[in-house]
Amino acid sequence: EAGVTQSPTHLIKTRGQQATLRCSPISGHTSVYWYQQALGLGLQFLLWYDEGEERNRGNFPPRFSGRQFPNYSSELNVNALELEDSALYLCASSLPLTNTGELFFGEGSRLTVL
Amino acid sequence: QKEVEQNSGPLSVPEGAIASLNCTYSDRGSQSFFWYRQYSGKSPELIMFIYSNGDKEDGRFTAQLNKASQYVSLLIRDSQPSDSATYLCAVSQGTGTASKLTFGTGTRLQVTL
Repeated sequence: EAGVTQSPTHLIKTRGQQATLRCSPISGHTSVYWYQQALGLGLQFLLWYDEGEERNRGNFPPRFSGRQFPNYSSELNVNALELEDSALYLCASSLPLTNTGELFFGEGSRLTVL
Repeated sequence: QKEVEQNSGPLSVPEGAIASLNCTYSDRGSQSFFWYRQYSGKSPELIMFIYSNGDKEDGRFTAQLNKASQYVSLLIRDSQPSDSATYLCAVSQGTGTASKLTFGTGTRLQVTL
């Protein structure tokens, strides 16, 4: 069974540009979560999508946005990139109302903003 | 005050010893508690979850929860070099869902030969 897949693996952008990151959840998982892992800051919750709708949002500015498609895949868009957006962006999926609350993470997309 | 606090380490323990990893949280309404392991350059993976006060054992791992003290810990018995990784404590307000897991910054564990 395929795990959570993310693309691209690495992305280099310059300040002010836009970045789009993509995620495909595990088959059968309807919930997708996005986390930012910046150096020394741990995983910061960005967004949660379930059944195509945004269910919860972390403490990030509106230039961080995303969506979930009918096939449950998701994309994260970051507009007007700033240097501090450089981080590893992790996508995770889960079954809704899962008993264990277990998140299955992808390998991440590393975004570098120059 | 951070929502979930962990000592960044590194915590160094000899092979075969018990490693004790600690985590405190600020939200008294928290209901679910998780320990994730993250190897360098890899994504986090769930090791254990605990919902009720007390101890929960799974193989060499024991999670301990004390809601009154807002404290959760992970004990690793008979530590192995393969246990060397960063251990992330995560907290959620819900039970049965992971709608918003708040993670600590992690404790780096080094198991020495």
